[in-house]
Amino acid sequence: EIVLTQSPGTLSLSPGERAALSCRASQSVTSSYLAWYQQKPGQAPRLLIYGASSRATGIPDRFSGSGSGRDFTLTISRLEPEDFAVYYCQQYGTSPITFGQGTRLEIK
Amino acid sequence: QVQLVQSGAEVKKPGASVKVSCKASGYTFSSYGISWVRQAPGQGLEWMGWISAYNDNTNYAQKVLGRVSMTTDTSTSTAYMELRSLRSDDTAVYYCARGGKLGSSYYMDVWGKGTTVTVSS
Repeated sequence: EIVLTQSPGTLSLSPGERAALSCRASQSVTSSYLAWYQQKPGQAPRLLIYGASSRATGIPDRFSGSGSGRDFTLTISRLEPEDFAVYYCQQYGTSPITFGQGTRLEIK
Repeated sequence: QVQLVQSGAEVKKPGASVKVSCKASGYTFSSYGISWVRQAPGQGLEWMGWISAYNDNTNYAQKVLGRVSMTTDTSTSTAYMELRSLRSDDTAVYYCARGGKLGSSYYMDVWGKGTTVTVSS
């Protein structure tokens, strides 16, 4: 199975700053079938990005995804207070679907 | 609006079975599939499997293969996930999420709120 490793484990930043979250796959992700999800405490995950770089419906344009092959990045251009949460990457191109272990984005 | 409504919390003894439901509304149920994802307390997300609401094809994760069954009822737009021979490490929040129609290679764009399953003697 494809193992996804996210870094850093925890990222401490202030509102207004730029965040870059990394996701590295153990092998190439088929057709860039890579998604990013945001999860807040007590809530279900929320789709942010699919196909490595396509924003899901209703997602603000401060969220962007990039990358291909084995290396992917989620960038939040200017952090808002509601952006502090846990972020997961997911590959859905090869069965079994796998998730990264998550990056916790916390307020500095 | 598009939504998935899951059944309520369950408490089960080791060795028992649990069946979680996920009722879809706001879209054509048979045009998509449903994936099931679980999250143990304080842990990350784990994909359990997928079922097509179009043709009932399934794809199960190796870890739960043989213990899990996923089904759909198109007359009520409801998906079900049954997990048997429950163990303490099955304690988790179980989510259903909308996925692909013909294969599991699809992102999950709509999620249910989750069903807490607690396995304890």
